[in-house]
Amino acid sequence: DAGVTQSPTHLIKTRGQHVTLRCSPISGHKSVSWYQQVLGQGPQFIFQYYEKEERGRGNFPDRFSARQFPNYSSELNVNALLLGDSALYLCASSLRGPLYNSPLHFGNGTRLTVT
Amino acid sequence: GQQVMQIPQYQHVQEGEDFTTYCNSSTTLSNIQWYKQRPGGHPVFLIQLVKSGEVKKQKRLTFQFGEAKKNSSLHITATQTTDVGTYFCAGPGNAGNMLTFGGGTRLMVKP
Repeated sequence: DAGVTQSPTHLIKTRGQHVTLRCSPISGHKSVSWYQQVLGQGPQFIFQYYEKEERGRGNFPDRFSARQFPNYSSELNVNALLLGDSALYLCASSLRGPLYNSPLHFGNGTRLTVT
Repeated sequence: GQQVMQIPQYQHVQEGEDFTTYCNSSTTLSNIQWYKQRPGGHPVFLIQLVKSGEVKKQKRLTFQFGEAKKNSSLHITATQTTDVGTYFCAGPGNAGNMLTFGGGTRLMVKP
């Protein structure tokens, strides 16, 4: 079975632009979460989606938005990019819903560089 | 809000030496998870601890959950170069299935 797949793997954008990152969860997983990992730090929670509904949101500005599609894939959108948005963006899927602390299966991430 | 702290931040060991990383939460946790991230890679789930005082072993790795369920540790016996990476602990946050990750302990092993 394929793991969590993310695209693109790398992206370079300039300040003020917007970006869309994509994620396909493991087959059968209905929960998708997004994390931001700045170099040298632990992943920080951005969003969780389950059954196409937002089930959790971290402490990120409204420039960050996401959605989940009927096939459970997901997109993370970031508008008006800032230099500080440069990071590794990780998507994770899990088998069970928000009421369970299921282990997360991470994708390889999208490395975003904002210049 | 909830904070998860890990020490040390970095650890250099000679191959064959033991290694321990410690994780402390500002709040009581219902469970704690451990992940390993190899250089240039993504976090990979290692284990989940649920019960107070629980100890679990995976070959040379021993994981422990504190009695008060606010701290945890990971001990590696006789490190190997394949153990290189950053080890993160993570506890449930306030929203959904989110996890609050510690800052990680980066392990470097000299052959």
